[in-house]
Order: sequence, then C-alpha cells, then structure tokens
Amino acid sequence: KAGVTQTPRYLIKTRGQQVTLSCSPISGHRSVSWYQQTPGQGLQFLFEYFSETQRNKGNFPGRFSGRQFSNSRSEMNVSTLELGDSALYLCASSLGARREGQETQYFGPGTRLLVL
Amino acid sequence: ILNVEQSPQSLHVQEGDSTNFTCSFPSSNFYALHWYRWETAKSPEALFVMTLNGDEKKKGRISATLNTKEGYSYLYIKGSQPEDSATYLCAFRSGNTGKLIFGQGTTLQVKP
Repeated sequence: KAGVTQTPRYLIKTRGQQVTLSCSPISGHRSVSWYQQTPGQGLQFLFEYFSETQRNKGNFPGRFSGRQFSNSRSEMNVSTLELGDSALYLCASSLGARREGQETQYFGPGTRLLVL
Repeated sequence: ILNVEQSPQSLHVQEGDSTNFTCSFPSSNFYALHWYRWETAKSPEALFVMTLNGDEKKKGRISATLNTKEGYSYLYIKGSQPEDSATYLCAFRSGNTGKLIFGQGTTLQVKP
C-alpha cells in the first residue's frame, strides 16, 4: 500500500505570492491533518479534514486555508506569503474509523517551502 | 494555552545503554498521547497511541508508560542502537480542543 504522498517536495516563492500544497492520503484513509514545522516552533497543528469537512483548526491566520476532496486528497493554500512562512509542511492521514484523536497518524515526506 | 514539555532536549548515549525520556502534558481533559520517532530526512513514524491511565505499550526494545492523573509519559529504549538515533516527539490530544499539540522533542544520538 502506498504511503502518504505530498507534492511538490520543494518550493521557492517570493513574498506576496500564494502557494498550494497537495497531499494524497493512504488509500482508504478519510482524515487528513496538516502541520507546519519550523526550527523555533516545532510541529504546529494547522487543520484537520474529515470527509471534506474541516474538523479542527489551529491558531494560524486566515491566509492559511485548506480543503479536502471527495477522494480524500487534500490541498493547503497560503496566500500573501511572508518570510516567516518558510517551513516544512507535513500532512498526515488516518483511517477516520475510530474515535477522533486516538488513531495512528501516518505522515508524508513533507513539502519544504522557502519564501524569499 | 496547552503546553507539552519534553525532557531532556537532547541526549547522547553509547551503544548498549538504556535510556528514557519524559513527556509532560496537562492532566485535565486528557484524550490521547501519541509518540513518534523522526529520523533525519524521513517522515515522522508513529510509535504508540496511548489512551488509558496506566497504559504500557511495547514495540521491540522501545516501551512507553502513561500517567494521565499526573500528566506524564515515559519512553524507554533498552539497549540503544545507532539506528535508534532520531528525534522522539510526543503529542497530546485534548478532549476540549481536539487539537494535537506536539512537544519540542528529545533528540537522541547513539554512538557506536
């Protein structure tokens, strides 16, 4: 079974631009979560989607948004990029069958975003 | 603000040593505690999901315990090997917010 895939793996953008990152979960997984990892802050929760609905959201500005499609694939969008958005963005998928939060999450390789 | 603390921040041990790390989390509104191992240039790998006070989980040489009443979990590695070198992260899921809050991690370096 293929693991979680994320595209692109690396991205360079300039301030003010916008970016869309993609995550394909493990086949059969319905829940997708997104995280931002920076050296100073560690892994920070962005949002979680289940069956095309945002189930939870972290403390990030409205420039960060996401969505999930009917095939469970998810996209994350960051508009008006700032230098501080440079980070590794990870997505993780889980089955969504058991009680939320008690399932094993499987992480993708991440997208490394550099904002110049 | 929910805070998850891990200690120590980093650890250097010799091959064969046993070691343990601590994860402290809020003792109220506990829902689940996750442990992950994150090797350089790889994805975080789930080790354990713990949900009940007193839970003990084991996977090979790695085991974990959970005390939800006092808000801590221990991760033990018996007979460390160089391939155990990684950052070990714990993450707390609150019943209130539903969000997964990660600690800063403990970075383990095992010297041959």
